[in-house]
Amino acid sequence: GAVVSQHPSRVICKSGTSVKIECRSLDFQATTMFWYRQFPKQSLMLMATSNEGSKATYEQGVEKDKFLINHASLTLSTLTVTSAHPEDSSFYICSARQGESPLHFGNGTRLTVT
Amino acid sequence: QKEVEQNSGPLSVPEGAIASLNCTYSDRVSQSFFWYRQYSGKSPELIMSIYSNGDKEDGRFTAQLNKASQYVSLLIRDSQPSDSATYLCAENIKAAGNKLTFGGGTRVLVKP
Repeated sequence: GAVVSQHPSRVICKSGTSVKIECRSLDFQATTMFWYRQFPKQSLMLMATSNEGSKATYEQGVEKDKFLINHASLTLSTLTVTSAHPEDSSFYICSARQGESPLHFGNGTRLTVT
Repeated sequence: QKEVEQNSGPLSVPEGAIASLNCTYSDRVSQSFFWYRQYSGKSPELIMSIYSNGDKEDGRFTAQLNKASQYVSLLIRDSQPSDSATYLCAENIKAAGNKLTFGGGTRVLVKP
């Protein structure tokens, strides 16, 4: 149980374009979803927390206009990287939980901006 | 001071030995703690959760929680090369909307 599906697993885009990443909880209702970013050999960095039906809460230093998060239902959240630049290249990982249950992660999306 | 601290390692362990990982935290009211394993280039996967003082065993893994001393540990018995990964400790901060705070992770290398 507790499967989180993230899509796409890998994406290459040109500088200036936007990329949307989807995160779905397949067998539970995710009251809260979290988006993380991880650079090589570094620890997870929380970008934002989203609760279904409300605006996402962004961590300090994360531009909310650049990283658009939508949590439209209890099973789906999306992250859109707008006007992507090479420095946005990273491993983006979504996670979801129901209440205080353990957090479950998607398989991640490796974004490369050329 | 970081909220969740882990030794970054690498912790080098011979195959078959016990790997012992430690994690300290600063939030006295934290109720729940989690250990995740992350292989290079992959996302973290849950190993264990622990909510009360004492030991919790699951297969070759044992989590230990000591709320008075504010530490949580993970023991890996009969370590295998496939256990080589980064192990992340996380605490649940209820006051922050049930946000998990992660330590920086301990890299474990199990040598055959």
